[in-house]
Amino acid sequence: KQEVTQIPAALSVPEGENLVLNCSFTDSAIYNLQWFRQDPGKGLTSLLLIQSSQREQTSGRLNASLDKSSGRSTLYIAASQPGDSATYLCAVLLNRDDKIIFGKGTRLHILP
Amino acid sequence: EAQVTQNPRYLITVTGKKLTVTCSQNMNHEYMSWYRQDPGLGLRQIYYSMNVEVTDKGDVPEGYKVSRKEKRNFPLILESPSPNQTSLYFCASNAGRMNSYNEQFFGPGTRLTVL
Repeated sequence: KQEVTQIPAALSVPEGENLVLNCSFTDSAIYNLQWFRQDPGKGLTSLLLIQSSQREQTSGRLNASLDKSSGRSTLYIAASQPGDSATYLCAVLLNRDDKIIFGKGTRLHILP
Repeated sequence: EAQVTQNPRYLITVTGKKLTVTCSQNMNHEYMSWYRQDPGLGLRQIYYSMNVEVTDKGDVPEGYKVSRKEKRNFPLILESPSPNQTSLYFCASNAGRMNSYNEQFFGPGTRLTVL
């Protein structure tokens, strides 16, 4: 059964630092992997989507990488800002049955 | 504006009283799904649908029903709600595998409390 793990569960860093969030999955038979942001009490906003054939995607200060063979993805945030404070979630779409499995998220707090 | 809408946004009900949470998308997406989000458990998929009249169970389907009679709508039905179904529910859609960039779009969420 596919399991998606995000470590750490929570992270606090000073403003301006570059940081990396991790996502690992146990079954490499995925169609794609998507990173989301969720603000407290709100819905999810898509940040980046990486197809299984891709290695990375970039959007502004965000860069997501995918190493399917090792079951890992990272989300790199450059020059962090207080507005980046949120919970970041990764999710994989499975090849075999089209289910989507989420990690439990990393709660990020950027200190001004 | 491309969006996924859910109604109601907040609902308090009592055990056993049937309820329906509606979900609609205006992007002509093929794939729609329902999730529940609980503290410590994260987001878990309840049901999903890859097209009209096609629905499949996710990881936590017990106690829920869905239907997909039209492409744009995917209601979630709780025939006999119980307190353990108190949760934050999200509907989502994406264009399906035929679209090479099939990112998921989420609705704003429905906070359900079952007393």
